[in-house]
Amino acid sequence: DTGVSQNPRHKITKRGQNVTFRCDPISEHNRLYWYRQTLGQGPEFLTYFQNEAQLEKSRLLSDRFSAERPKGSFSTLEIQRTEQGDSAMYLCASSDKPPGFYGYTFGSGTRLTVV
Amino acid sequence: QKEVEQNSGPLSVPEGAIASLNCTYSDRGSQSFFWYRQYSGKSPELIMSIYSNGDKEDGRFTAQLNKASQYVSLLIRDSQPSDSATYLCARGKSTFGDGTTLTVKP
Repeated sequence: DTGVSQNPRHKITKRGQNVTFRCDPISEHNRLYWYRQTLGQGPEFLTYFQNEAQLEKSRLLSDRFSAERPKGSFSTLEIQRTEQGDSAMYLCASSDKPPGFYGYTFGSGTRLTVV
Repeated sequence: QKEVEQNSGPLSVPEGAIASLNCTYSDRGSQSFFWYRQYSGKSPELIMSIYSNGDKEDGRFTAQLNKASQYVSLLIRDSQPSDSATYLCARGKSTFGDGTTLTVKP
């Protein structure tokens, strides 16, 4: 499967715990995006990487959130001290073209439930 | 006001009919627009992109862009039950609408 891969598919955590998600983009894609989606709403942009550089972060990405793409391949999104409001689907997307002018390929997402 | 607005629906059409989905946006500088299809419990899938005023056709799908009126639409001809999904309109790289749920009844 050469699509965008996200792990885990589901994560249930207790409030206050830290969680980390992983995204493996399509191999030739140098651009990677993280979004968050809650039920009944569209995806909300969180952050964007070109290769290993984090070029843009949304104001939604509070200081409890951090994302990395250390070698320009896979990326991780960590949420520290999780809150119930963090419960959502976290989506990763990748592209080999400049942002904003071409669509993306999304992964299957990681569904986070904070209890 | 959201930057990208869509009617949440649900929109219900009979099989074989034309489904018309609409989207308006507030930023006049927007240059690129996308339609994604999202089945329940799945991730969004890109189905159309449009950058210029006018129509763009791809199979049963036609995207329409009117920059003067700041709206984008998606027409699905010969609708099939398998088209039942939520359709997301997106502007640029970071702004999605909340989607319109379409149900195609056999």
